[in-house]
Amino acid sequence: AQSVTQPDIHITVSEGASLELRCNYSYGATPYLFWYVQSPGQGLQLLLKYFSGDTLVQGIKGFEAEFKRSQSSFNLRKPSVHWSDAAEYFCAVGRTGANNLFFGTGTRLTVIP
Amino acid sequence: DTGVSQDPRHKITKRGQNVTFRCDPISEHNRLYWYRQTLGQGPEFLTYFQNEAQLEKSRLLSDRFSAERPKGSFSTLEIQRTEQGDSAMYLCASSSTPSGANVLTFGAGSRLTVL
Repeated sequence: AQSVTQPDIHITVSEGASLELRCNYSYGATPYLFWYVQSPGQGLQLLLKYFSGDTLVQGIKGFEAEFKRSQSSFNLRKPSVHWSDAAEYFCAVGRTGANNLFFGTGTRLTVIP
Repeated sequence: DTGVSQDPRHKITKRGQNVTFRCDPISEHNRLYWYRQTLGQGPEFLTYFQNEAQLEKSRLLSDRFSAERPKGSFSTLEIQRTEQGDSAMYLCASSSTPSGANVLTFGAGSRLTVL
């Protein structure tokens, strides 16, 4: 069965500092991987996705993620965090022909001045 | 294209009442999904339509939950005889990918509070 683990419930970083949010997945084949961001009271916005090919993918708002098959991970990174990045971040996994995505429980990011 | 629209954004109801949420997907998207999100959790898949056909509904939480997409455009999610445990954010998403990975575009959600 597919599953997604986001081990960090809450992360606090200083503005301008680098960020890495962890995501581990469990799936028997090559998954499709996604990162979504959710601001308070808002729906989910797609940050980036991995389907195949280059394991380092670039997304919007300066985010990137790296797919590591050997570690079953798809960690999200940003070199310099802005106060507007404070939000909830969700990792999700899907597969070819699947009807839905499976989401992790999310990581809440707080940015301090 | 105004994205995925959901209405109402907030609904407060008393236990035992019926509620209905509406979702208007992106116009060219033929797939529509309903998810539920409770506090501190990620979205949980409920059901899925391709055009007007409901192809997956086994994840609906109970027989009190039902969804329709009568003309393959907008969709409604109805919860009958609401319970306090139904309090959650109900998210709608749509996509147009005919095969392969689904890239879902989400609406802002409908928040339900059952008193």
